[in-house]
Amino acid sequence: NAGVTQTPKFRILKIGQSMTLQCTQDMNHNYMYWYRQDPGMGLKLIYYSVGAGITDKGEVPNGYNVSRSTTEDFPLRLELAAPSQTSVYFCASSYSGGGQGYNEQFFGPGTRLTVL
Amino acid sequence: EDQVTQSPEALRLQEGESSSLNCSYTVSGLRGLFWYRQDPGKGPEFLFTLYSAGEEKEKERLKATLTKKESFLHITAPKPEDSATYLCAVQDGGYQKVTFGTGTKLQVIP
Repeated sequence: NAGVTQTPKFRILKIGQSMTLQCTQDMNHNYMYWYRQDPGMGLKLIYYSVGAGITDKGEVPNGYNVSRSTTEDFPLRLELAAPSQTSVYFCASSYSGGGQGYNEQFFGPGTRLTVL
Repeated sequence: EDQVTQSPEALRLQEGESSSLNCSYTVSGLRGLFWYRQDPGKGPEFLFTLYSAGEEKEKERLKATLTKKESFLHITAPKPEDSATYLCAVQDGGYQKVTFGTGTKLQVIP
């Protein structure tokens, strides 16, 4: 059971380039999330998904896109990278059965992105 | 809008010196309050979920408690391996989104 995996671990982009951050979970969780973490700012939700084919915006969605074609995968697409997107990106997943004992999120190891 | 405020921002303890971390929150209807531990260069690791005021949970040297407005993470006789950033988060009853605090960076000195 690998949990939540993310690739790549590190990446440097030039302004205007595009890339996709990959996220895969093997826990059969229905919910998946993308966060960014900046120093002193806490985790900010970018997008989330409640199941395959269903996505919704979080707090800071501008400049990003997502898709969810399978339960396991939730890629994050950066179009026209900007220096403001320099951050550490975390993918997470959770199972929400509607009752207690669920909802806690399991996080991947993160992708450290620098845009120059 | 849900809000989570953690204090102090940083805490330095001697090994064995017990203390508490605070998490104050504002949410319209609490579905759950979460505590996570984050080590440098890694993703947050789940510790506890608390659901209602008065609830307490323990794990080794950590004990989390919850009131209607705040949660405390008590650390008893900490060891250097407890050094990490501790994150608090709340989930509103009507949403799947979770709001995180900025964390308390704990350093335990031998």
